[in-house]
Amino acid sequence: GESVGLHLPTLSVQEGDNSIINCAYSNSASDYFIWYKQESGKGPQFIIDIRSNMDKRQGQRVTVLLNKTVKHLSLQIAATHPGDSAVYFCAENRAGRRALTFGSGTRLQVQP
Amino acid sequence: DSGVTQTPKHLITATGQRVTLRCSPRSGDLSVYWYQQSLDQGLQFLIQYYNGEERAKGNILERFSAQQFPDLHSELNLSSLELGDSALYFCASSVYGNSHYEQYFGPGTRLTVT
Repeated sequence: GESVGLHLPTLSVQEGDNSIINCAYSNSASDYFIWYKQESGKGPQFIIDIRSNMDKRQGQRVTVLLNKTVKHLSLQIAATHPGDSAVYFCAENRAGRRALTFGSGTRLQVQP
Repeated sequence: DSGVTQTPKHLITATGQRVTLRCSPRSGDLSVYWYQQSLDQGLQFLIQYYNGEERAKGNILERFSAQQFPDLHSELNLSSLELGDSALYFCASSVYGNSHYEQYFGPGTRLTVT
């Protein structure tokens, strides 16, 4: 069925490391992707988005890569610090659909 | 702070009861989305309003309803509550009516049904 899924439920890294969070999607018609960060007790916070006409987009300390051939999306966080510890969700949308579909989330734990 | 506000922050009620959750979108945003997040689950889209009109429906139960008022705030009404309705309820707002643009989330309402 159609789905947006995450490869790893928990990712543990050391402070200062670069983190990579992966996401797979199943529908080749998906044309909009978005990453959210959710800290404990808070609402999801927009990080970065990318459209299917792009392969890469950079923000502040974050980079999103989109590989449409294998239907894979990744979020790279440079020089992670404990404040990056949170659950990260990817979500996707496609033409004709009126709502984002969210993945189940990856928990990032940054060890000091 | 996303600029989206939700009240109340916490709500505890009994099975069979009815509650109303309130959301005020960011200034200038016309769309409001409602999501449900159960423990350790992803976000499930419930319903969207755009400029006062229902725009899209997701997995919303018939016991649930929503509306968006002329001042663009929105309310989510949950009735005949069951234990399984215990969850975090988030609203999000966006400038546009379609969801190919970023949505900004509020802090959520934690509903506990006992």
